[in-house]
Amino acid sequence: QITLKESGPTLVKPTQTLTLTCTFSGFSLSTSGVGVGWIRQPPGKALEWLALIYWDDDKRYSPSLKSRLTITKDTSKNQVVLTMTNMDPVDTATYYCAHFHWGAGDYWGQGTLVTVSS
Amino acid sequence: EIVLTQSPDFQSVTPKEKVTITCRASQSIGSSLHWYQQKPDQSPKLLIKYASQSISGVPSRFSGSGSGTDFTLTINSLEAEDAATYYCHQSSSLFTFGPGTKVDIK
Repeated sequence: QITLKESGPTLVKPTQTLTLTCTFSGFSLSTSGVGVGWIRQPPGKALEWLALIYWDDDKRYSPSLKSRLTITKDTSKNQVVLTMTNMDPVDTATYYCAHFHWGAGDYWGQGTLVTVSS
Repeated sequence: EIVLTQSPDFQSVTPKEKVTITCRASQSIGSSLHWYQQKPDQSPKLLIKYASQSISGVPSRFSGSGSGTDFTLTINSLEAEDAATYYCHQSSSLFTFGPGTKVDIK
């Protein structure tokens, strides 16, 4: 049974760096074809893909946010960490992590709401 | 960057009616197109992968078709529980999600 859960601060101040952790179980991030990605959704708006890390440590980023994002994995801890620098109120959103198998997001976490406000 | 557009933005439908949602890619993506359903306050759920491949546990009234730049999600005989927002997602070149189509029940 595959599960993922996001954790991190619920409130960050403008200009601060956000660090989110995705802790997963039921699969290995060393398995060919597997990736863990981050997707966010501002309140009442659409899904926006942020970043993805593959089983072979290949990393991909949204072009519009690439300069602000870093994704890493700790296979031994079954965790994927996303950092986003220079947070702004427009970054207020629910942040999801998801398991991707050859590109399809078949398992998603429950999401965590991050509010950016001073 | 590949851009996905969806139509319609919103659709109000009566139960048992057939629903068709389209997704168009700004360039050819082969069959690397997936469909998700998101109900209010829930995480997205994968409905169809690679344009037309069914997902275990998803009702058979959901089906997908298309390739290249034009794709369709069809819901045959809509049920009240299908009220949700539907998103397409491409994995051909990086990832992109479509803007979503909200389906409401009359």
